Amino acid sequence: AQSVTQLGSHVSVSEGALVLLRCNYSSSVPPYLFWYVQYPNQGLQLLLKYTTGATLVKGINGFEAEFKKSETSFHLTKPSAHMSDAAEYFCAVTYTNAGKSTFGDGTTLTVKP
Amino acid sequence: EAQVTQNPRYLITVTGKKLTVTCSQNMNHEYMSWYRQDPGLGLRQIYYSMNVEVTDKGDVPEGYKVSRKEKRNFPLILESPSPNQTSLYFCASSLEGTRPTGELFFGEGSRLTVL
Repeated sequence: AQSVTQLGSHVSVSEGALVLLRCNYSSSVPPYLFWYVQYPNQGLQLLLKYTTGATLVKGINGFEAEFKKSETSFHLTKPSAHMSDAAEYFCAVTYTNAGKSTFGDGTTLTVKP
Repeated sequence: EAQVTQNPRYLITVTGKKLTVTCSQNMNHEYMSWYRQDPGLGLRQIYYSMNVEVTDKGDVPEGYKVSRKEKRNFPLILESPSPNQTSLYFCASSLEGTRPTGELFFGEGSRLTVL
């Protein structure tokens, strides 16, 4: 069964500091990996995704993530946090069975002024 | 505007009173899915549909029913709601129904409280 682990349910950074949100997955076959962001009282929206090809993926709002097969990781980073980045972030995985998608438990990012 | 629309957005009901949460998308997407979001548990998939008349169970289907009679609509039915179904529900759709690479487009959520 596929699974996703997000390390750290809450992450706090200062404005301008590096953002690092961790995601590890379990898989015996190549995964397709996604990061979604949820702002308060809203649905989720896609930040970026990895399907095939380049392992460093760039997304919206300056975020990027690197797929590391050897580490089964897909960590999300942003060089400089902005106040507007405060939100909950979800890592998700799907496999060749297209119907099922598995989400991590989420990481709440707080940005301090 | 491309969107996934859920109704109602907020609902308080009582145990055993049947209810339906509607979901409609205007993007001609093949794939639709329902999730529930609970604190500390992330999103868990309830049911999904790869296309019209094709539905399948997700990870937490107990106590829920779905139907997909039309491509745009995917209602979630709680025949006899119980307090443990109190949750925030999201409907999502994706263009690439038969491939796993498509992003999900989410509705704004329906907050359900069962007393």
